[in-house]
Amino acid sequence: EDKVVQSPLSLVVHEGDTVTLNCSYEVTNFRSLLWYKQEKKAPTFLFMLTSSGIEKKSGRLSSILDKKELSSILNITATQTGDSAIYLCENAGGTSYGKLTFGQGTILTVHP
Amino acid sequence: GAGVSQTPSNKVTEKGKYVELRCDPISGHTALYWYRQSLGQGPEFLIYFQGTGAADDSGLPNDRFFAVRPEGSVSTLKIQRTERGDSAVYLCASSALAGPSYNEQFFGPGTRLTVL
Repeated sequence: EDKVVQSPLSLVVHEGDTVTLNCSYEVTNFRSLLWYKQEKKAPTFLFMLTSSGIEKKSGRLSSILDKKELSSILNITATQTGDSAIYLCENAGGTSYGKLTFGQGTILTVHP
Repeated sequence: GAGVSQTPSNKVTEKGKYVELRCDPISGHTALYWYRQSLGQGPEFLIYFQGTGAADDSGLPNDRFFAVRPEGSVSTLKIQRTERGDSAVYLCASSALAGPSYNEQFFGPGTRLTVL
């Protein structure tokens, strides 16, 4: 069974801190790994990673995939209160092209 | 519309009743996904459509759950004989393509279903 595990499950930091969120996966026929930010109801897309070792960057957020270790990290530097959200890791793989597996998420809380 | 929309936003029903949840994907998106999310959990895959057909329905928990997408656009998730354990937020997402050219999903705001 395809599996995606995120850690930590929750994290509390202060503004300005840097955080690293982890995602590890066990999927057959890996295709891509995606990160989403969920603030209220709908997750919003952050990154899609398909190749190992290539960092994707958007402002203070960056992410990288390690296919050898079957994992990915999401880094957020100089955190702000607006970064408070659930960060979800999703894996596209398995025998069905459309079957996508989410991790349980990391709840990030950034205090002023 | 500009994004994925779902109706209703909230649905309260009694145990044993039938409910329908609707999803309007982004126009032109061929892939449509349904997820269920319980408090404190990541979204759980239910079913995905490629066009009109359900390409993978392996996430549907049992035969009380059924989804259709008759014209390859709007989709309806149907739950018969609802149970309290069905209470969750039901999320719908669409993407332009599925398969090897998979790209990002766009999510709707969800329908919060409460079964009393």
